[in-house]
Amino acid sequence: AQSVSQHNHHVILSEAASLELGCNYSYGGTVNLFWYVQYPGQHLQLLLKYFSGDPLVKGIKGFEAEFIKSKFSFNLRKPSVQWSDTAEYFCAAPRGRRALTFGSGTRLQVQP
Amino acid sequence: DAGVTQSPTHLIKTRGQQVTLRCSPKSGHDTVSWYQQALGQGPQFIFQYYEEEERQRGNFPDRFSGHQFPNYSSELNVNALLLGDSALYLCASSSESRTTGELFFGEGSRLTVL
Repeated sequence: AQSVSQHNHHVILSEAASLELGCNYSYGGTVNLFWYVQYPGQHLQLLLKYFSGDPLVKGIKGFEAEFIKSKFSFNLRKPSVQWSDTAEYFCAAPRGRRALTFGSGTRLQVQP
Repeated sequence: DAGVTQSPTHLIKTRGQQVTLRCSPKSGHDTVSWYQQALGQGPQFIFQYYEEEERQRGNFPDRFSGHQFPNYSSELNVNALLLGDSALYLCASSSESRTTGELFFGEGSRLTVL
């Protein structure tokens, strides 16, 4: 089974700064990876997902992630963050059928 | 189209008590999973129900049990509550027939054990 780890626990950025959040996965056969976001007081929602093909995946709200097999990484990026991006971000990998194992999360705080 | 709904949103219990949390999946979904999210942690998989049976289970004790009803809604029961059971409990639903199998989450039930 795949597992994921996130090493940035709390990130503080100013608006318009660039963002990169790290996610590393353990090898477990076919690699499928996800990024979810949890805005304050809201439910977890899918930002983007990687199943196969183009290693650069684009998601909602201007986010993208790059799957780098040689580095076992799936880092989340955004060129210019906004105050509304303040949220908790989770990297995830499949756990059996229709279930996920999540990383510990990264809390992003964007200062206006 | 209603998303995943959970009830109650907040509740407080004391050690040793029992609690039942409820989840209605997104319309058209037939698979329900439960997760526990402790403060400052990522969600941890508890178990999953499909066709009214527990299909997979995470590393949680037998005090955690569940049920799925014919209308696909689900309950999570926790017996003999411990202080460490305080957490946000998330329900996620998906459709077995969809290729991508994207999970949709509810807003959670926040349980405080005193």
